[in-house]
Order: sequence, then structure tokens, then C-alpha cells
Amino acid sequence: KAGVTQTPRYLIKTRGQQVTLSCSPISGHRSVSWYQQTPGQGLQFLFEYFSETQRNKGNFPGRFSGRQFSNSRSEMNVSTLELGDSALYLCASSLTGTPNEQYFGPGTRLTVT
Amino acid sequence: AQSVTQLDSQVPVFEEAPVELRCNYSSSVSVYLFWYVQYPNQGLQLLLKYLSGSTLVESINGFEAEFNKSQTSFHLRKPSVHISDTAEYFCAVSGLKNAGNMLTFGGGTRLMVKP
Repeated sequence: KAGVTQTPRYLIKTRGQQVTLSCSPISGHRSVSWYQQTPGQGLQFLFEYFSETQRNKGNFPGRFSGRQFSNSRSEMNVSTLELGDSALYLCASSLTGTPNEQYFGPGTRLTVT
Repeated sequence: AQSVTQLDSQVPVFEEAPVELRCNYSSSVSVYLFWYVQYPNQGLQLLLKYLSGSTLVESINGFEAEFNKSQTSFHLRKPSVHISDTAEYFCAVSGLKNAGNMLTFGGGTRLMVKP
């Protein structure tokens, strides 16, 4: 079974631009979560989508948004990029419910210049 | 709300020596506990988890962790490490009553195994 895939793997953007990252979960998984990883703040939860609905949201500004499609694929969008948005963005998928064994993708490394 | 503290940011150890990576958590509700490992330029891989039952959980590659409710700890141990265990290890918690999948991570511990 294929793992979680994220595209693109690397991205360079300029401050003020917007970016869209994509995540394809493991087949059959309906929950997709996004995390931001930075050296200073560590791993922080962004949001989770389940059956096309946002189920949980972390403490990030409204510039960070996401969505999930009917095939469970998910995208996250960051508008008006800031230098501090440079990070590794990780996507994780899971079957329904709790407890929640999450499977992580390799991440998208975003660099904002 | 939950929080996780990993007491050591780096742990250097010689090959074949034992190691313990410490993790303490704070939560107002019961929690599920996890250890994840991250190798360079990769995502996170689940190492082991505590959901309920026996407080000692083991992974297939020789790691074990013990849930201690009174000390709110979930330390990770391995009796003999290999060079290939060099990686960053993250402890994480999820509230029992949380709907959905939201993990709170500790700051990570970099395990450096020396020959």
C-alpha cells in the first residue's frame, strides 16, 4: 500500500506570495492532519480534515487554510507569505476515530525569501 | 490542553550502550501517548504507542516505553543502541476525549550514537 505523498517536496517563494501544498493520504484513510515543523517552534498542529470537514484547528493565523476533497486528498494554502513561514510542512493521514495512529508523509520544505 | 516536555535536547551515547530518552506530559484529561522517530530529510514514523492496558509497550526494533501515570512520564529506553538508531525522537500526546487526530509534540531529542 502506498504511503502518504506530498507535493511538491521543495518550494521557494517570495514574501507576500501565496502557496498551495498538496497531500494524498493512504488509500482508505479519511483523516488528514497538517503540522508545521520549525527549529524554533518545533512541531505544531495546524488543522485536521475528516470527510471534507475541518475537525480540529491549531493556533495559527487565518492566512493558513486548508481543504479536503471527496477522495480525501487535502491541500493547505498560505497567503501573504512571511519569512517566518519557512518550515517543513508535514501531512499525516489516519483511519477514522480515536485512538489515532497517524502516518506521516515526507513533508514539503517551504523557504520564503 | 496538553503539553509535552522532553528533558534532553541531545543525547550522545556509544554504540551498544543503553539509552533513555525522557518525556513528561501535562494534561487535565487522560491521554494517549506516542513516540515518533524522524530520520534526516524524512517524515515521522510511529515507534510505539500507549493507548490502554499494560503500561509497558514495545516496538519491533528493541525500543520500549513505560507509562507512569503518577509521574506523568513516558520515557523511551533501549538496552543496546546501534548506529542506525541515530535520529530525532519525538514524544507526543493526544487527549482521550479529543475528537479527531490532534497531536501535541515535545521539542524532540536528538539521539547521536557514536562508534
